[in-house]
Amino acid sequence: DAKTTQPNSMESNEEEPVHLPCNHSTISGTDYIHWYRQLPSQGPEYVIHGLTSNVNNRMASLAIAEDRKSSTLILHRATLRDAAVYYCILRDKGRGGSNYKLTFGKGTLLTVNP
Amino acid sequence: EAQVTQNPRYLITVTGKKLTVTCSQNMNHEYMSWYRQDPGLGLRQIYYSMNVEVTDKGDVPEGYKVSRKEKRNFPLILESPSPNQTSLYFCASSGGTDSSLYTQYFGPGTRLTVL
Repeated sequence: DAKTTQPNSMESNEEEPVHLPCNHSTISGTDYIHWYRQLPSQGPEYVIHGLTSNVNNRMASLAIAEDRKSSTLILHRATLRDAAVYYCILRDKGRGGSNYKLTFGKGTLLTVNP
Repeated sequence: EAQVTQNPRYLITVTGKKLTVTCSQNMNHEYMSWYRQDPGLGLRQIYYSMNVEVTDKGDVPEGYKVSRKEKRNFPLILESPSPNQTSLYFCASSGGTDSSLYTQYFGPGTRLTVL
């Protein structure tokens, strides 16, 4: 499985932008890059995903490097509710490509200061 | 509202007493999965199901059983729970097109303690 590397923790101030990096140098050509987050005492929550082009949705933006070996999740204005563990995940093809298992690493713990 | 529900949310039990954790989704998803989350080990997949009557083992299936008799339900069964199954359990589901199949909706979690 292609692996991802993320900083253990990051800190931000409320209403400021946050850039969460992820390195995935062994990514394969058909791997999607997914981001999930887990708020305290909750299940993981889908944030965004992309393949090659940058992506935007109501929650965040995903910037993907041209060589796809890294990506950055961008929260444009952090709020206290954005404090969570953020996981960068590459699609796991599993056995015969039939298991859509998500392989979670340790993620980045984002602290948002008021 | 699209959601995945789990019951119970909290459970304390004793070694060897059979238990079932229920999972239900209202999105007509084909794919469902169970994960457990432990400190320092992250989330690990226990079992998954591609559709009704189709289930397969994940990374840590020992001590667990599942069934998928209906599309919406995917219960996790611990026939003889042991203390090493004390964990936080999450059910997830997904469905749709290729890329969105990896967009999984997770339940709120079930915190299980086996004494």
